[in-house]
Amino acid sequence: AQSVTQLGSHVSVSEGALVLLRCNYSSSVPPYLFWYVQYPNQGLQLLLKYTSAATLVKGINGFEAEFKKSETSFHLTKPSAHMSDAAEYFCADGSGNTGKLIFGQGTTLQVKP
Amino acid sequence: KAGVTQTPRYLIKTRGQQVTLSCSPISGHRSVSWYQQTPGQGLQFLFEYFSETQRNKGNFPGRFSGRQFSNSRSEMNVSTLELGDSALYLCASSLEGGGHTEAFFGQGTRLTVV
Repeated sequence: AQSVTQLGSHVSVSEGALVLLRCNYSSSVPPYLFWYVQYPNQGLQLLLKYTSAATLVKGINGFEAEFKKSETSFHLTKPSAHMSDAAEYFCADGSGNTGKLIFGQGTTLQVKP
Repeated sequence: KAGVTQTPRYLIKTRGQQVTLSCSPISGHRSVSWYQQTPGQGLQFLFEYFSETQRNKGNFPGRFSGRQFSNSRSEMNVSTLELGDSALYLCASSLEGGGHTEAFFGQGTRLTVV
């Protein structure tokens, strides 16, 4: 069954440090991958999407993600963390024929001053 | 361009009651999907509506139902509420839906069943 795995339910980094949030997908067909961010008591905000046009995808707020087919991964990175990046991040795959997004369990990013 | 609007934001209901949640998608978007978010189960797909027709459905009991109107606005109904239905219900709007296009989420409706 199609699935998305996010390694690490909690990630803690210092302000200014590199952010790396891991996502692996299982789809055997070309994936449609997304990263979303959720702030407390809010909905999901789209950070970026993989469209197959390029393996390195740039999103909002300085985030980017690299699609690696050989590793079935779509990890999210940001060179320098800001306090405002503290939130929960979700990786999602929309490649199935079920019309839905399959979400990972989410990774809570903590940014320490 | 206005975003996805969900009403109400918060709701408290008693077990056994029913509830209706509303979602107004982004203008021009024909697909509306609903998701349930809980700490234990994460984000789970309820159903998707496209041009007033339910196109896809998740693995939820029949107590969960929805509909979509000609203006693409959608409602979700939960009957005979159970404590386990307490969750954040999120609505997502997209041009064509199907999981392949960008989905834009509303702020959600926080439902508490007591």
